[in-house]
Amino acid sequence: AQSVTQLGSHVSVSEGALVLLRCNYSSSVPPYLFWYVQYPNQGLQLLLKYTTGATLVKGINGFEAEFKKSETSFHLTKPSAHMSDAAEYFCAVRGYNNNDMRFGAGTRLTVKP
Amino acid sequence: GAVVSQHPSRVICKSGTSVKIECRSLDFQATTMFWYRQFPKQSLMLMATSNEGSKATYEQGVEKDKFLINHASLTLSTLTVTSAHPEDSSFYICSSGPGEGSPLHFGNGTRLTVT
Repeated sequence: AQSVTQLGSHVSVSEGALVLLRCNYSSSVPPYLFWYVQYPNQGLQLLLKYTTGATLVKGINGFEAEFKKSETSFHLTKPSAHMSDAAEYFCAVRGYNNNDMRFGAGTRLTVKP
Repeated sequence: GAVVSQHPSRVICKSGTSVKIECRSLDFQATTMFWYRQFPKQSLMLMATSNEGSKATYEQGVEKDKFLINHASLTLSTLTVTSAHPEDSSFYICSSGPGEGSPLHFGNGTRLTVT
């Protein structure tokens, strides 16, 4: 079964610093990969997705992620953190045939002024 | 873009009563919808997959008689928590997507509190 592992349940950065949230996937074939953000008491908002094609994927709010097959990774980055980026981030994988989506444990991002 | 609407956003009920949560796809036909449950400070756990016109598929450990799912049309799926108990208090989120490989679009969730 496909799964994703997020390294680090909590990441804290200073405003303006680089954000790096780690995600590794487990799949025998390249899956569909996603990053979502969740603010308190809200649903999930899609940041970006990888399906096929270009391995560097740009998303909303200045985030991007790179699909690295050799490392089975899909880490999320943002060059300069903003206070409004503080939230919970989930990496997710979805298989073929309209399968359900499986989530990592989540990483809480804190941004310090 | 694809939109999923979930209602209600918050509900408080007494122990022993039933609560129905609705999930609608507003601009696409959802043959499949997914119901997730999220405990505080935890990830989303898939409860069941709702299939239009057929029975839902439940994940291991999820009681199908407690969490009744109906998907009678291509735009509406409902989750009914029957005979709710305090341990059923949680955040329930539905989702769907317009096709294979597409991202899932999520409702805003329903915060259920059972007193």
